[in-house]
Amino acid sequence: EAGVTQFPSHSVIEKGQTVTLRCDPISGHDNLYWYRRVMGKEIKFLLHFVKESKQDESGMPNNRFLAERTGGTYSTLKVQPAELEDSGVYFCASSQGGGTGTDTQYFGPGTRLTVL
Amino acid sequence: LAKTTQPISMDSYEGQEVNITCSHNNIATNDYITWYQQFPSQGPRFIIQGYKTKVTNEVASLFIPADRKSSTLSLPRVSLSDTAVYYCLVGDIGMFSGGYNKLIFGAGTRLAVHP
Repeated sequence: EAGVTQFPSHSVIEKGQTVTLRCDPISGHDNLYWYRRVMGKEIKFLLHFVKESKQDESGMPNNRFLAERTGGTYSTLKVQPAELEDSGVYFCASSQGGGTGTDTQYFGPGTRLTVL
Repeated sequence: LAKTTQPISMDSYEGQEVNITCSHNNIATNDYITWYQQFPSQGPRFIIQGYKTKVTNEVASLFIPADRKSSTLSLPRVSLSDTAVYYCLVGDIGMFSGGYNKLIFGAGTRLAVHP
């Protein structure tokens, strides 16, 4: 079974530009999460989708970040315009959900974003 | 979500058993305990999860005392490839919460295994 995949693996952009990160969850997983680690900090939750609906976006830092999950499959996270402090590693995770038993999140390899 | 406390770093040698203890004094009744492993330039990888007593899988064992205020991840006979950061997380990820919840990561324990 394929795991969570993320694209691109690395992205280097200039301040003020736009970047779109993509996450493909494990097939059949209803839950999709975005996390990020900025330099020297801990991994922080950004938001959570259940299928195509945003369940919890309490971790989104500001309105420069826009996440979508069209059709409840893959998700994109757009940063527009990017700022220096957005540099870090963005992780995506997915879990089966369904409310039966425990729910384990499986992480992708992350996208390393560098804003110059 | 309950806050966790774990050692910042640990050192071990190949072939030894490593035990990493995590404190979670404010764990709630519905909270589960989950451990993740992370290698450089990779995402966190699920290791083991439990609610109480002992859980064992092919990778590790998880010991949880009756009061559930702490837990110990046990890695048998570590190798150099076990060098990684280990995270202890607690949260309501069971059926009571609808089966999902955001994870709150701490700093983790940086384990270094030496030859």
